[in-house]
Amino acid sequence: DSGVTQTPKHLITATGQRVTLRCSPRSGDLSVYWYQQSLDQGLQFLIQYYNGEERAKGNILERFSAQQFPDLHSELNLSSLELGDSALYFCASSVALGVFDEQYFGPGTRLTVT
Amino acid sequence: AQKITQTQPGMFVQEKEAVTLDCTYDTSDPSYGLFWYKQPSSGEMIFLIYQGSYDQQNATEGRYSLNFQKARKSANLVISASQLGDSAMYFCAMREGLDSGAGSYQLTFGKGTKLSVIP
Repeated sequence: DSGVTQTPKHLITATGQRVTLRCSPRSGDLSVYWYQQSLDQGLQFLIQYYNGEERAKGNILERFSAQQFPDLHSELNLSSLELGDSALYFCASSVALGVFDEQYFGPGTRLTVT
Repeated sequence: AQKITQTQPGMFVQEKEAVTLDCTYDTSDPSYGLFWYKQPSSGEMIFLIYQGSYDQQNATEGRYSLNFQKARKSANLVISASQLGDSAMYFCAMREGLDSGAGSYQLTFGKGTKLSVIP
């Protein structure tokens, strides 16, 4: 158990819908990262927050957004869902922003868009 | 150019034997970290081992060791005494720092190697 929690574990929804994925980082970790794992694209970085502020964006679509709240939990919002958005979405956390800080991953949310 | 290359899509190893999973990386940054993660069929990503670019010695964690050859830009994972539970996907990842100290430090992953341990 990494200490990072993600809910829900599985999500099945229809095209055009909107969903919210939730992540709670390990106790004491200030940095949260979101990754998407799909069969064709592999594991890709989406977005990062540090202590409530957005720090970096990766390959995140405009239909997707995220935020980190004062209690440090984070939410990833996916809207106007398409079939291609079906993937495993991971949240990871690390203590700070050090390049040598280890990132611990949550169990992931498996999103299926039908 | 790919930043992380894992050239072995799949590998087989006999139980109790050692296996090496290859990883080469590409960066011009002097400060970087190299990570290995295990992803079993259940899907979670499990952190295994880490090597910093300034570390003088190869990292070890139990049955896992990292063969770090900086000049060759390789960071191979060695699993000793393979167990059936080692069957999984293994991902090599890199995190780069910027000389300015700023940056997001997200992980860049390779495509993974699927390891199958044979009884």
